[in-house]
Amino acid sequence: AQSVTQPDIHITVSEGASLELRCNYSYGATPYLFWYVQSPGQGLQLLLKYFSGDTLVQGIKGFEAEFKRSQSSFNLRKPSVHWSDAAEYFCAVAEYGNKLVFGAGTILRVKS
Amino acid sequence: DAMVIQNPRYQVTQFGKPVTLSCSQTLNHNVMYWYQQKSSQAPKLLFHYYDKDFNNEADTPDNFQSRRPNTSFCFLDIRSPGLGDAAMYLCATSGPRTGGTYSNQPQHFGDGTRLSIL
Repeated sequence: AQSVTQPDIHITVSEGASLELRCNYSYGATPYLFWYVQSPGQGLQLLLKYFSGDTLVQGIKGFEAEFKRSQSSFNLRKPSVHWSDAAEYFCAVAEYGNKLVFGAGTILRVKS
Repeated sequence: DAMVIQNPRYQVTQFGKPVTLSCSQTLNHNVMYWYQQKSSQAPKLLFHYYDKDFNNEADTPDNFQSRRPNTSFCFLDIRSPGLGDAAMYLCATSGPRTGGTYSNQPQHFGDGTRLSIL
């Protein structure tokens, strides 16, 4: 079965600092990968997706992610974090039937 | 704006009393999903509809059922809620498959219904 690992449960960064959230996946074929963000009490918002092609994908809110097949990774990055980025971030891989398998999530705290 | 709407945002029910959560969408998407998300956990897929074709996950308890009367609406019915069913329930939609296979369209989520059991 497919799986997604987000090794960091919590991350704290200073406002204006750069951010990288780690995601590793286990999938036999070419994966369809997603990053979602969830603010407290809200649903999930799609940040970006990777299906094929360019391994560096741009998303909303200034986020980007890089697909590295050799490392089975799809890390999320942002060059300068804003206080409004504080939320929980989920990496996910789509299985057959478009079923999403989520990682456990990483909670981002931003300190001023 | 096209969107996924869940009602109510907060639902309180009594132990064992049936409850229905609703989801509507204006995206005209073929696929609708129901997820359960417990506190500090990732969302877990319960089932999904591709048009009227119902797909249940193997580990979804029999206590959970769903109805999709038309493209726009989908309901989650919990027949006899237990304390362990307290969670956020998320509805999502995605676009149609193309070329005879699922196209892995991104899923669009509603804001969820938080269910509490007394």
